[in-house]
Amino acid sequence: KQEVTQIPAALSVPEGENLVLNCSFTDSAIYNLQWFRQDPGKGLTSLLLIQSSQREQTSGRLNASLDKSSGRSTLYIAASQPGDSATYLCASGDSWGKLQFGAGTQVVVTP
Amino acid sequence: GAVVSQHPSRVICKSGTSVKIECRSLDFQATTMFWYRQFPKQSLMLMATSNEGSKATYEQGVEKDKFLINHASLTLSTLTVTSAHPEDSSFYICSAHSSANYGYTFGSGTRLTVV
Repeated sequence: KQEVTQIPAALSVPEGENLVLNCSFTDSAIYNLQWFRQDPGKGLTSLLLIQSSQREQTSGRLNASLDKSSGRSTLYIAASQPGDSATYLCASGDSWGKLQFGAGTQVVVTP
Repeated sequence: GAVVSQHPSRVICKSGTSVKIECRSLDFQATTMFWYRQFPKQSLMLMATSNEGSKATYEQGVEKDKFLINHASLTLSTLTVTSAHPEDSSFYICSAHSSANYGYTFGSGTRLTVV
């Protein structure tokens, strides 16, 4: 069974620093890998979706890479802002649309 | 973009009663909808997968008689927590998946508190 791990569980950085969030998965036969943002008590906002054939995706200050052979994905957030404070979840997807989530990394960006 | 509406956002009910949560895809047809449960400080755990017009597929350990899922149309799925107990208190989130795109759209979640 696929297991998804996110390290660290929590991260605090001063505004302006770059953020690096790590996600690892045990089964490299993934269909896709997705990063989400969750604000306290809210649902999920999709940030980036990387198909298994892709190595990275970019959107604005966000960049996500995927290395299936090593079972890792990394989310980079450039020039962090206080508004980036949230919990970031990664999830591996199968061809049926099922997602296996990591426990998330709680990010605090201090002004 | 794709929008999924989930209602109610927050509900408090008495132990022993049933609660229905709705998940609607507003501007696309969802071939598949997923229901997740999230405990505080933990990640989302998939409860069940529902496809329009067929019975839901439940994950191991999820009681199908307690968590009734109906997916009557391509835009609506409902989760009914029957005979709710305090241990059912949790955050429930739905997501909709369309064959037209590869992404997943999530509802805003329902905070259920059973007293």
